[in-house]
Amino acid sequence: GQQVMQIPQYQHVQEGEDFTTYCNSSTTLSNIQWYKQRPGGHPVFLIQLVKSGEVKKQKRLTFQFGEAKKNSSLHITATQTTDVGTYFCGLYNFNKFYFGSGTKLNVKP
Amino acid sequence: IAGITQAPTSQILAAGRRMTLRCTQDMRHNAMYWYRQDLGLGLRLIHYSNTAGTTGKGEVPDGYSVSRANTDDFPLTLASAVPSQTSVYFCASSEIPNTEAFFGQGTRLTVV
Repeated sequence: GQQVMQIPQYQHVQEGEDFTTYCNSSTTLSNIQWYKQRPGGHPVFLIQLVKSGEVKKQKRLTFQFGEAKKNSSLHITATQTTDVGTYFCGLYNFNKFYFGSGTKLNVKP
Repeated sequence: IAGITQAPTSQILAAGRRMTLRCTQDMRHNAMYWYRQDLGLGLRLIHYSNTAGTTGKGEVPDGYSVSRANTDDFPLTLASAVPSQTSVYFCASSEIPNTEAFFGQGTRLTVV
């Protein structure tokens, strides 16, 4: 079954502070995806990482894929209230598409 | 508008009743998935189909069945609903397995 752990489960930050969520797999991944789900909404694709050690940026968001392709992180610099939501990593394993348990981010203005 | 559509948006269902959640996509995606999301929790895979005509079991398949008679449609059936199946159900699709997934708006199901 799914063997991916995502931490932390919750994160409360003051607007302007940084935020990081981590996704760790027990197996080597072919790639990893990140999604954002706004409160009351559906998950929306953010990015896919494929290469070992890959780093990609989207404005204030930085995504990293570990050298061993077993872990990944999403870092948000200087959070804004629009960043509120739950962030999920998604991975494909044994013909199935799994998601991590998610990190719920709350940003206080 | 291209995308993935789920119906109904919400439903209150008596325990023991049969219910089919509908999911249709017009993107000609090969892979489709059903997830359930319980309050405050993550997305758990119920069933999936990597191509029309094939289906597979996910993490929590018990009490659910699916079919994939064609590329566009992937209905999820609860044969005899139980209160523990109260959840938000999301259907998703991707062009091929292991690529970007597109999600429907979700179906909020309450079993009483």
